[in-house]
Amino acid sequence: DQQVKQNSPSLSVQEGRISILNCDYTNSMFDYFLWYKKYPAEGPTFLISISSIKDKNEDGRFTVFLNKSAKHLSLHIVPSQPGDSAVYFCAASVSSSNTGKLIFGQGTTLQVKP
Amino acid sequence: NAGVMQNPRHLVRRRGQEARLRCSPMKGHSHVYWYRQLPEEGLKFMVYLQKENIIDESGMPKERFSAEFPKEGPSILRIQQVVRGDSAAYFCASSQLGDVYEQYFGPGTRLTVT
Repeated sequence: DQQVKQNSPSLSVQEGRISILNCDYTNSMFDYFLWYKKYPAEGPTFLISISSIKDKNEDGRFTVFLNKSAKHLSLHIVPSQPGDSAVYFCAASVSSSNTGKLIFGQGTTLQVKP
Repeated sequence: NAGVMQNPRHLVRRRGQEARLRCSPMKGHSHVYWYRQLPEEGLKFMVYLQKENIIDESGMPKERFSAEFPKEGPSILRIQQVVRGDSAAYFCASSQLGDVYEQYFGPGTRLTVT
């Protein structure tokens, strides 16, 4: 049972353009969401997070949008840079459980072409 | 300020042998999490530990897998009698007390069972 889904395995974008990565979830108990970036042979690196009390959070070139009614979140990267090429994972959690258990999607491989 | 350290980075075991994966959390972090990533999949939560305590092991297979985080020394994920299906990347993450969702990941141990 895949509670967090990233339906696009890959995305290719031109440098300078916007990258939009999508994530859907099924568990309505999830109330805290995170995006991680992962390079080959490295561990995931935290990018940005959002609580369910918000619908948008911004940090530099990265913005995460949350649509609770649609159980959908997206990560926007503007402008995209070649160094952004990596695998992006969204993750979800039930913050009240306080167990730190993150449920990850399958990942989307982003390629930013110079 | 060293990050999360994992060793070994690569481990090859024959079927039936034991695998021991070690994780040293970031300085000042008292919470450790283990995740497993199978090929072409996202990370799957295995276990959450604090010093000398297992808090949530809901993702651990019922047999052959165990984890500990002793008062002194690194956290250990132990897999007994490994099988080919155990081949995966195992990631450790750590966090501070009171911030279980801000997890910092190590580079992972890639286990290959031959």
